[in-house]
Amino acid sequence: GAVVSQHPSRVICKSGTSVKIECRSLDFQATTMFWYRQFPKQSLMLMATSNEGSKATYEQGVEKDKFLINHASLTLSTLTVTSAHPEDSSFYICSASGATTYGYTFGSGTRLTVV
Amino acid sequence: GENVEQHPSTLSVQEGDSAVIKCTYSDSASNYFPWYKQELGKGPQLIIDIRSNVGEKKDQRIAVTLNKTAKHFSLHITETQPEDSAVYFCAAGWFSGGYNKLIFGAGTRLAVHP
Repeated sequence: GAVVSQHPSRVICKSGTSVKIECRSLDFQATTMFWYRQFPKQSLMLMATSNEGSKATYEQGVEKDKFLINHASLTLSTLTVTSAHPEDSSFYICSASGATTYGYTFGSGTRLTVV
Repeated sequence: GENVEQHPSTLSVQEGDSAVIKCTYSDSASNYFPWYKQELGKGPQLIIDIRSNVGEKKDQRIAVTLNKTAKHFSLHITETQPEDSAVYFCAAGWFSGGYNKLIFGAGTRLAVHP
């Protein structure tokens, strides 16, 4: 079945630094990728949708300059949290869909802690 | 905007009992309704889904029903087992030549007691 690999699974960074999270589709071409943010004991909140080769579409209230999304290839999308602050600490999850896959395939998530 | 409401937020059952989780959605354009199980520290795992042209779908102990008119869909788990304990999310999305964004419900924390 379709597999999405997300790395790193956990990252701790200092306040003010940037962190990059990778999301790779291992066995299919991901024409669309989605990035979610999940706070403890809460739901998944969609941050942005990206189509390969196009600029990401951000949901209302999500700062595009803070959360940089790149979807340069059909198998890789990255989320960069720039100038991270403690309030950016959260669980970030990607998902992908493609022409040959059914539904959405989710990554295993990245726990970001900003200290 | 799009909204998905999910109830209950917590559900506690005895092993062997049934569990039902209900969701409503606001966007009538939604045509794809998946259910996910999420364990602590992991990404969501699809357990069952239904499209808008079907009213019910079953997979062993799990079933999903959809009422398009009322914009309701429900997850039914029969003969619950302790390993069913997790957080369950419903979601609503739409497929139109490709899968568009998925909106999640708030989640239901299911506890199955032996």
